[in-house]
Amino acid sequence: GESVGLHLPTLSVQEGDNSIINCAYSNSASDYFIWYKQESGKGPQFIIDIRSNMDKRQGQRVTVLLNKTVKHLSLQIAATQPGDSAVYFCAEKERGGSNYKLTFGKGTLLTVNP
Amino acid sequence: NAGVMQNPRHLVRRRGQEARLRCSPMKGHSHVYWYRQLPEEGLKFMVYLQKENIIDESGMPKERFSAEFPKEGPSILRIQQVVRGDSAAYFCASSPAGNEQFFGPGTRLTVL
Repeated sequence: GESVGLHLPTLSVQEGDNSIINCAYSNSASDYFIWYKQESGKGPQFIIDIRSNMDKRQGQRVTVLLNKTVKHLSLQIAATQPGDSAVYFCAEKERGGSNYKLTFGKGTLLTVNP
Repeated sequence: NAGVMQNPRHLVRRRGQEARLRCSPMKGHSHVYWYRQLPEEGLKFMVYLQKENIIDESGMPKERFSAEFPKEGPSILRIQQVVRGDSAAYFCASSPAGNEQFFGPGTRLTVL
């Protein structure tokens, strides 16, 4: 079936660098996407979301980009800090479907080296 | 405002025993969702409940698994006759009205 997945399972960056985490999705019916951060031993924490009528959305130090043509989603973290070390998941909701049912990708482990 | 609370945080059971996982939603939230996360996997939706009602249990195995969210008290995810394949992290999330979900810290179930 259609699913949300990630290109890179791990990403290691130096403190202060920018990080880019990618996510590919195959369900063209998805119209809402969310990035979550999950630290070790904790539950997922909402970072930022974007609807399909947008290409870009910015938050504090984070930017999400959506390319519907190639069904690609990315999360950019500026000036990455050690506290950003975590697993990052993208999740989607399907247009016209249940607005509560999230489909998660497998996650990317981000490691920030001091 | 306390976040979503789950207990126990860690649960060890032997094959064939029952596991009961509890979730107390955030104050004012009447919608609860349960997810299962296998090692190195993303979360998988299991069930969505509102007070005293199961709205969608399409992600929950038909046998041995059940969930409830009574009028009073926490939501309970119950797994009967556990097997090793049930070992996973079980996350609960809550929302005020079917929108943004806030996740709890999870219960890590280990079946020996």
